[in-house]
Amino acid sequence: EVQLEQSGGGLVKTGGSLRLSCAASGFTLSNDWMSWVRQAPGKGPEWVGHITSHVYDGTTRYAASVKGRFTVSRDDSKNTLYLQMDSLKTEDTAVYFCAISRGQGPLYHFTFWGQGALVTVSS
Amino acid sequence: EIVLTQSPATLSLSPGETATLSCRASQSVSNYLAWYQQKPGQAPRLLIYDASNRATGIPARFSGGGSGTDFTLTVSSLEPEDFAVYYCQQRSDWPVTFGPGTKVDI
Repeated sequence: EVQLEQSGGGLVKTGGSLRLSCAASGFTLSNDWMSWVRQAPGKGPEWVGHITSHVYDGTTRYAASVKGRFTVSRDDSKNTLYLQMDSLKTEDTAVYFCAISRGQGPLYHFTFWGQGALVTVSS
Repeated sequence: EIVLTQSPATLSLSPGETATLSCRASQSVSNYLAWYQQKPGQAPRLLIYDASNRATGIPARFSGGGSGTDFTLTVSSLEPEDFAVYYCQQRSDWPVTFGPGTKVDI
């Protein structure tokens, strides 16, 4: 059974840092593209960034709103995905989800999601 | 960036009725459109991908249609567990984007 268990959310001040984790079971993380998606209160989801599968060399890509501040990485020995968030802003406040990203052709949809982690950034 | 607009914002129906939700894209996304269901406090769940394909384990009462810029999600004979928020998402161009959602309530 595929599972994504998230941890690491919390309250942080503006300019601070936080790292989210997403531990996978039931499948091998490095064989899939994985994304982070966030959802601000009362809003639709927003794609944050992804890491490609090992076949595509684990390259990363980010939304313009987080580029240069957030880093997606993966520890294959722990089958775990990470999101390192630096220089946090109040507008980064959201529930963050990790998600398996799949699709034939351009880009992807999100076939399975973690349970989410709340990140609150206060001034 | 491709903007997705969903209508209506809220749909008030009763169990047994049919829900028809709309998603419109600011430019053609071909058939690269997905639908998700989200209940309070839960992650979104993939229902439909590539406009009309049901995801694994999704009941047949959920169906999707459309192409280009106009898409619909139909939920036939609403069950109590179907009352939720529904989002569309395009994967035709960077970045992937989501619509603002349609809430289906009683």
